[in-house]
Amino acid sequence: GNSVTQMEGPVTLSEEAFLTINCTYTATGYPSLFWYVQYPGEGLQLLLKATKADDKGSNKGFEATYRKETTSFHLEKGSVQVSDSAVYFCALWGGGTSYGKLTFGQGTILTVHP
Amino acid sequence: NAGVTQTPKFRVLKTGQSMTLLCAQDMNHEYMYWYRQDPGMGLRLIHYSVGEGTTAKGEVPDGYNVSRLKKQNFLLGLESAAPSQTSVYFCASSYGKHSYEQYFGPGTRLTVT
Repeated sequence: GNSVTQMEGPVTLSEEAFLTINCTYTATGYPSLFWYVQYPGEGLQLLLKATKADDKGSNKGFEATYRKETTSFHLEKGSVQVSDSAVYFCALWGGGTSYGKLTFGQGTILTVHP
Repeated sequence: NAGVTQTPKFRVLKTGQSMTLLCAQDMNHEYMYWYRQDPGMGLRLIHYSVGEGTTAKGEVPDGYNVSRLKKQNFLLGLESAAPSQTSVYFCASSYGKHSYEQYFGPGTRLTVT
């Protein structure tokens, strides 16, 4: 079945530092890949997406590139802010018998200090 | 436009008690989902519905039941709560099978003692 593995957290950074959160996946077929973000006390919301190989998703300064050869979708941001403190989830959609359902990674807690 | 709402926000149950969590969406979405979120486990799908009157099992359905009598509502029931069901429960909805973006509610924090 489909699965998503994220780097273990928590991740603690100073403001303006560079962020990378690793994500790799296992899937049949041609899945779409996502990053969702969960701010404190809220539900998840879609941050960015990539629907085919070599696509780059971007939003709010975050980027991730769909790499089929390494089955990866790492999240990056060049300069984090305190307001980026949240839990980040990598997710996969589609493929095989899981079509129409999202499979989530375990989440990575990011804390940014001033 | 409220999006996806969940009630209650918090609840404490004793082992063996029952309760129902309500999810409502006002976006006319076809698909609705119930997840549980546990530390280090991400979100795991409990049950989902592809339309009014239909439900299906997800990854971790045991101990839960669901109903979708109206398109806008999706109910999650615990008939006999267990401490292992202590978790944060999220409801989500999406337009349909070919829509990958899910819209999440704010969550319900349930503690079973």
